[in-house]
Order: sequence, then C-alpha cells, then structure tokens
Amino acid sequence: AQTVTQSQPEMSVQEAETVTLSCTYDTSESDYYLFWYKQPPSRQMILVIRQEAYKQQNATENRFSVNFQKAAKSFSLKISDSQLGDAAMYFCAYDYGGSQGNLIFGKGTKLSVKP
Amino acid sequence: DTEVTQTPKHLVMGMTNKKSLKCEQHMGHRAMYWYKQKAKKPPELMFVYSYEKLSINESVPSRFSPECPNSSLLNLHLHALQPEDSALYLCASSQGPFGNTIYFGEGSWLTVV
Repeated sequence: AQTVTQSQPEMSVQEAETVTLSCTYDTSESDYYLFWYKQPPSRQMILVIRQEAYKQQNATENRFSVNFQKAAKSFSLKISDSQLGDAAMYFCAYDYGGSQGNLIFGKGTKLSVKP
Repeated sequence: DTEVTQTPKHLVMGMTNKKSLKCEQHMGHRAMYWYKQKAKKPPELMFVYSYEKLSINESVPSRFSPECPNSSLLNLHLHALQPEDSALYLCASSQGPFGNTIYFGEGSWLTVV
C-alpha cells in the first residue's frame, strides 16, 4: 500500500529562522511525483514545491527547498528565513498515477511562526 | 488569485434538502476533482473527471453525485445528506491525472443540520 507519513503533528519556528518538516513515504514504484502543499487558515491548498522522482536534483522555490532521498524514501521541506505568513498546515503528498492520479496525503504538520 | 472558483463559499442545508456545489476552472485543464476535508485532516478524494471520464472513490455514498457539464465546469449534487457529511469540499483541477500540479479552489464549507 502507498502511504505518506509526516511524523511531526506540530512544529514551531522563530521568525527569520530555518525549519525542516519531515515526510517519508512507502512505495514500490520507480516513477512518481512528490509535492508539498500549504493550507493557511484561509483554507485554500497552495502548492509549495514539486519533485519528480527521476530527477536527482532537489527542487527549490525561493525560500523553500526539499531534501529528496529516494533510496530512503524521504522528502523533507526546508523553509529558510521563516515569515509570519508561512504559518499554516503543511501536507506532503505523493502521486504515482494510480486510481486516475489520486494524490496520497500525509496527515499534515501544523507550523507556527513566532514573531 | 485562485483560478479555480467555487460557489457557494458557505452552505447550510437540512437533511431533506437538495443542493449543489459549483466549480469552474479557467486554466484549460482536462482533469477536475472533488475532495472532502474534515477539520485537521488531509483531503480525501471523492471523484475525478479526467478527459471526460469519471472515476469514483467507491467509499463515497450515493447521496453525492458529480456532474461535469464541460471540461471547465464541475458540480457536486447533494441530496439527503447526513450531519457527518459536514466538511470543507474542495474542487481542484490539473492538466492531466498523473504528475501534474493539482490546483485547488478555496473550498465550500458545508454544514448539514
């Protein structure tokens, strides 16, 4: 079974500091995609970053970067220079193309940013 | 600005009512989705329309009925719902069903009384 595990239900970071959110997944597929989504209190799910499994280079988007370890099935998100607007629920998600492209989500990590 | 638009943002309905949630995307995407999200939980897929073909999560009860009038519109018809169906309903779209970024709307918050 395909599963995504986020082991940190809640995290806290000081403004301007760096925080890393962890995500591991279980799969026997070789071709798949990984995502981090952010859901602030406004409720809209917003893509943070996308990683293609066949690419060894870690994806980056401005202050957001991932550490993708394919052999370890690990996909952590690093947020640098944290800002108050980064406070949200963060979901790690996995897409292997099964069931018409269903995203499998982890349970989420609630990130708080302290001023 | 979201390019997936959902209406209404809030809906309160009785258990005997019939109502619909509406969704429209303006990105030319060929796959559209309905997700259900309970508080503090990840979204759960309900339905997918991909290239005009419907796929259903078999655990979704028949009181939820999707409709895709065209590739830009997606409706979710609601009938005889239960209080446990109260949740945030998210519409989403993507270029295709595998590997593409899924773009979400802001959601419709449904309360069943």
